[in-house]
Amino acid sequence: DAKTTQPNSMESNEEEPVHLPCNHSTISGTDYIHWYRQLPSQGPEYVIHGLTSNVNNRMASLAIAEDRKSSTLILHRATLRDAAVYYCILRDRRYTGFQKLVFGTGTRLLVSP
Amino acid sequence: GAVVSQHPSWVICKSGTSVKIECRSLDFQATTMFWYRQFPKQSLMLMATSNEGSKATYEQGVEKDKFLINHASLTLSTLTVTSAHPEDSSFYICSATIRGRPQGAQYFGPGTRLLVL
Repeated sequence: DAKTTQPNSMESNEEEPVHLPCNHSTISGTDYIHWYRQLPSQGPEYVIHGLTSNVNNRMASLAIAEDRKSSTLILHRATLRDAAVYYCILRDRRYTGFQKLVFGTGTRLLVSP
Repeated sequence: GAVVSQHPSWVICKSGTSVKIECRSLDFQATTMFWYRQFPKQSLMLMATSNEGSKATYEQGVEKDKFLINHASLTLSTLTVTSAHPEDSSFYICSATIRGRPQGAQYFGPGTRLLVL
């Protein structure tokens, strides 16, 4: 599995945008970029995923570099409820359903009032 | 949609007893279910992958005779920790996938915290 690299932690103030980076320099052409987050004492939740183009949904935006070797998860206005560990994970699009997720250490986002 | 539940949410047991954890997909049929374990301050580690009606595939280092997985239907998977010991105390999380929606995303349960005394 191609690996991802994320900062251990980041801090933000409430109501401000947050940009969470992820490096995946060994990404293959068939890898999707997935983001999950885990709130304290809860199971992870799916946030967003993309392949080549930038993606938006109600939770966040995903900006993917043109060479696909990095991506950025964007929370447009951080709230205290966004404090969580954010995981960037690559998944091979040739496999559906059965492919396991390999969680790295993720980025712990701290949000201050 | 795509809600996954786990029961119980927490359990305390004595060393040597067995504990069963249920994972249910409430509003969809799960193609595949996964079981993870998470120790404090650490990331999730996949234990096993299971498909309905077939034997689970265990990750390297996970004892299949100790962590019994039964995937009886498309909406229910159970994990039984047999002869639990204090080192099995952990946060156990299941997840499920829906074929084709969205591509390979997993939907996670809220987790079960196990404490073995």
